[in-house]
Amino acid sequence: GENVGLHLPTLSVQEGDNSIINCAYSNSASDYFIWYKQESGKGPQFIIDIRSNMDKRQGQRVTVLLNKTVKHLSLQIAATQPGDSAVYFCAENQGYSTLTFGKGTMLLVSP
Amino acid sequence: DVKVTQSSRYLVKRTGEKVFLECVQDMDHENMFWYRQDPGLGLRLIYFSYDVKMKEKGDIPEGYSVSREKKERFSLILESASTNQTSMYLCASRLGGTYNEQFFGPGTRLTVL
Repeated sequence: GENVGLHLPTLSVQEGDNSIINCAYSNSASDYFIWYKQESGKGPQFIIDIRSNMDKRQGQRVTVLLNKTVKHLSLQIAATQPGDSAVYFCAENQGYSTLTFGKGTMLLVSP
Repeated sequence: DVKVTQSSRYLVKRTGEKVFLECVQDMDHENMFWYRQDPGLGLRLIYFSYDVKMKEKGDIPEGYSVSREKKERFSLILESASTNQTSMYLCASRLGGTYNEQFFGPGTRLTVL
């Protein structure tokens, strides 16, 4: 939504830098995790996912790291571009079909 | 290309009106969801449905109801709209099972005056 970025922690980076966005999840029994990107005025879009039996997964310019010991998830974006500016949030699968979402982090990329 | 569509991008209603928000998915997904998104509160689940004519309450169902008469369509109903229901409403769908992503619609920005 238009104001989804209000009250969120913000990460400001320069174009070309690598970005790391962090997420603490709540349930040690969660078995599947997703990162979403939400641009202003749009619905969330899938970026990358990871199962709990993995600790790292790579996509195009993105990497997700999972640390089950401390219940921590991170999203790394390589060579960040202005088009990456958005709100990013993680989701964990706790039950059969429902996801629980984090509050999100706003990423601002300066040219 | 998979798609979740919502009937309106912007909607303005008056207090006390009955409001219908429609969502359609073309992926033959079993599960469909309605969320509201507010600054500082994130995504909150209102209702979900795992099959036709089935519905389950989410975290904040009060003031809302839902209808799922066909697999592809999931409607959110505000029986008597109130100003505190002004929000962004997001519909989503997901294939059954654990390791499947959830697809979102573009959202409906509802303002209740």
